[in-house]
Amino acid sequence: EIVMTQSPATLSVSPGERATLSCRASQSVSTNVAWYQQKPGQAPRLLIYGASTRATGIPARFSGSGSGTEFTLTISSLQSEDFAVYYCQQYSNWPLTFGGGTKVEIK
Amino acid sequence: QLQLQESGPGLVKPSETLSLTCTVSGGSFSSSSYSWGWIRQPPGKGLEWIGSIYYSDSTNYNPSLKSRVTISVDTSKNQFSLKVTSVTAADTAIYYCARHGDSYGSGSSTYYFEYWGQGTLATVSS
Repeated sequence: EIVMTQSPATLSVSPGERATLSCRASQSVSTNVAWYQQKPGQAPRLLIYGASTRATGIPARFSGSGSGTEFTLTISSLQSEDFAVYYCQQYSNWPLTFGGGTKVEIK
Repeated sequence: QLQLQESGPGLVKPSETLSLTCTVSGGSFSSSSYSWGWIRQPPGKGLEWIGSIYYSDSTNYNPSLKSRVTISVDTSKNQFSLKVTSVTAADTAIYYCARHGDSYGSGSSTYYFEYWGQGTLATVSS
């Protein structure tokens, strides 16, 4: 099983600042990584797939990068609605696995 | 816009079977380019993939749950279902159904989750 490790667990950021979230895979997953945003009481929402392709309707301030084992989600200028928990997921190998999440909170 | 809705009992007794159904509306269900999955999230914790089912009725399950899980499809009703047998308190979670990415014309894996249901809480307790 591929283990996805996210860091940091919590990220404190001021509105308007940049946020950088990391996700590391225990073995290469090529670019088969997705990122999701989850707000309290809601289902996760797909942000990024293929490591860097934004899903339909996702604002350009969200960007993804990386390949192999190291991946990054960047939010260029945090808006109030971006404070949430973010998860990465690999879909290169079975079983599909998620990272433990990064909570982005208001500083 | 594709919509998914989970349904099923909110309370299940230990050792019994948890049964949930996902009803899909607003889009094509039986296309060969679509596949469907279940994910769960214990209260306050992270996401765990349970299993997925494909147009051909083939399935893939998380090895950690494989012996207790069955996913099936009823294309006549635009539904797919999850059964988890011999449940314990550790199976208490929000259960989400979801659709994988559209594989039509894609040269790479599309086993991310593009559309999600709102989730349903299943509690295991006597």
